[in-house]
Amino acid sequence: RKEVEQDPGPFNVPEGATVAFNCTYSNSASQSFFWYRQDCRKEPKLLMSVYSSGNEDGRFTAQLNRASQYISLLIRDSKLSDSATYLCVVKGTNAGKSTFGDGTTLTVKP
Amino acid sequence: EAGVAQSPRYKIIEKRQSVAFWCNPISGHATLYWYQQILGQGPKLLIQFQNNGVVDDSQLPKDRFSAERLKGVDSTLKIQPAKLEDSAVYLCASSFRGSGRSGANVLTFGAGSRLTVL
Repeated sequence: RKEVEQDPGPFNVPEGATVAFNCTYSNSASQSFFWYRQDCRKEPKLLMSVYSSGNEDGRFTAQLNRASQYISLLIRDSKLSDSATYLCVVKGTNAGKSTFGDGTTLTVKP
Repeated sequence: EAGVAQSPRYKIIEKRQSVAFWCNPISGHATLYWYQQILGQGPKLLIQFQNNGVVDDSQLPKDRFSAERLKGVDSTLKIQPAKLEDSAVYLCASSFRGSGRSGANVLTFGAGSRLTVL
């Protein structure tokens, strides 16, 4: 079993749609959680950190369920520019490594 | 703030040849990472440095890969000899271990070095 698992998609949605991505992790001792965005042939960039209380940044909402070892990302009112691969990242202790999922690909169509 | 610098951006070699990649992290970032990203997969950690010491190299194929960060700043990743399956993007990242929620342990990546082994 992979340490971090994501639904690879692809997700093809029309502009304005709401889309949700899920991610599960196997190490219950994991402490920090993130979503990164990666555009085609570019490097990953931080989209948002995920906090236990859940957090929102504009159209993006991230949630963490430690009991189920599950992280989610919700994108509301999708834009064409949201088309990218979304990577779930889980980190162990402060000095621990950051483990990436294989990503979920989103294509937003006009 | 200058970003993470990597070179070369592209490299094409034949199998069994050697190659080296260079990375200069963001100034002040103590932690430096080398990741391998194969097409269609997420980045996989090869090695993590804290200053000039190795924190994690459990997934580094040590028979052919080596990395160093001698002065705790820039780093070099070497592959010798290369295999076809080493074709990938080699991403360098750095992080500043701040306190509190804001920015703690966030990785900033360089543009990557794309390796093709023929």
